[in-house]
This record gives sequence, structure tokens and C-alpha cells, in this order.
Amino acid sequence: DTEVTQTPKHLVMGMTNKKSLKCEQHMGHRAMYWYKQKAKKPPELMFVYSYEKLSINESVPSRFSPECPNSSLLNLHLHALQPEDSALYLCASSQGLAGATGELFFGEGSRLTVL
Amino acid sequence: KQEVTQIPAALSVPEGENLVLNCSFTDSAIYNLQWFRQDPGKGLTSLLLIQSSQREQTSGRLNASLDKSSGRSTLYIAASQPGDSATYLCAGRSGYSTLTFGKGTMLLVSP
Repeated sequence: DTEVTQTPKHLVMGMTNKKSLKCEQHMGHRAMYWYKQKAKKPPELMFVYSYEKLSINESVPSRFSPECPNSSLLNLHLHALQPEDSALYLCASSQGLAGATGELFFGEGSRLTVL
Repeated sequence: KQEVTQIPAALSVPEGENLVLNCSFTDSAIYNLQWFRQDPGKGLTSLLLIQSSQREQTSGRLNASLDKSSGRSTLYIAASQPGDSATYLCAGRSGYSTLTFGKGTMLLVSP
């Protein structure tokens, strides 16, 4: 099983709403990632968790708040977003962070629209 | 810092053709290079992962090569089919860092 599951697939929210994106994997991977992808652009890294600890934050605004409750789950909490935050949010996982353990597996993404 | 470039940005071929997608990277101390496929509005599907110690990997009609000395990787698709139409992304990993993506090649295979 090489599946990364993301919910919801689509989300529409107003600028004052609070919502969350969820990601789950059962491959025993210890590194999990959030990426943001705008149309016709490559994915941009937002956050990396390694062994449930935040390892990398690519200077993401605080209106995005990641959480890793356990080794299988990754959440992205959203609050007071701007219309320009509308994008496809992708979750990924890998066995580890580097070298031979570094193959990334992506979910199908959550399409976020901020009104 | 690793930079990844993909050429061409778009490619249109008739069904049945063999084709090559190109990826170049600047940091030869690369750990591995991964090729992905992305259909419109969907996530990324991992196609092939080549470790720095490997020269190539094959999966079905796909063959990916890696030449660290020249900073190049190629993805060869044999006997292309309309179902191969998608955007293909390569991404390289250097050191204890995360993947650096190229901008992708948009492939259209016409029947």
C-alpha cells in the first residue's frame, strides 16, 4: 500500500473561517510534508515533520498551522486566510528525510478556495 | 542550492512515438532524483526514483537515467499512448534537504 489519503478533496472557506486539512498514511513513514501548488507551477514546500517533530518551516505565514498528532496523521489548520492562498494543498510522506529512504509519495491533494 | 530545469516545457507527439524528457540539475552531490506524473488537478504519482549510485531505472515503458557528472537525467517513454498525456516533473534531493522540483514538461499524446 503506497497510499496517502487527503481530506477533504475540495474546500471553500471565507476569510474569517477556521478549517483543517487532513492527511493520513499507513506505510510506516516517519517524514511527512505539506506542499502548496498554484496552477501550472511546481509544488512549493511548506512544512516537514520528521518523527512527529516539525523539522522545516519554509517561512510560512502563521495563518497556516501544521500539526502531527501521531506518525500516521498530519493536519494543516487554516485561519484567516487570504484569497491568494487558494491553491492545491498536497501532503506527502517518505520513509525518512534523505538518501535511500527519500522516495516521496503524494496524496491527491485538497483544492482550497478562499472567498 | 539545488536548481532543477526541465526542457521542453511542453511537448506534443502522435501516439506510438518514443520520446525523451530532459531534466538538468546544478548540484552534482545529489542523493537521488525522482520523476513524477501529474494529471490536471490531481496529486503527484511517483514514477521512478534513481539513487545517486544508480545509472538508470526501468518500469514498464519508462526508463529514467541519471548522469551526475553532467547534471542530467532523462525520462524515456516508449511507444507513447494518449493515456501518457500529463505533466511530468523531476525533482532532486541533495544532502539532508527536501526535494527541489523542476517546472515540469506538459506532454500531449494525440491519437
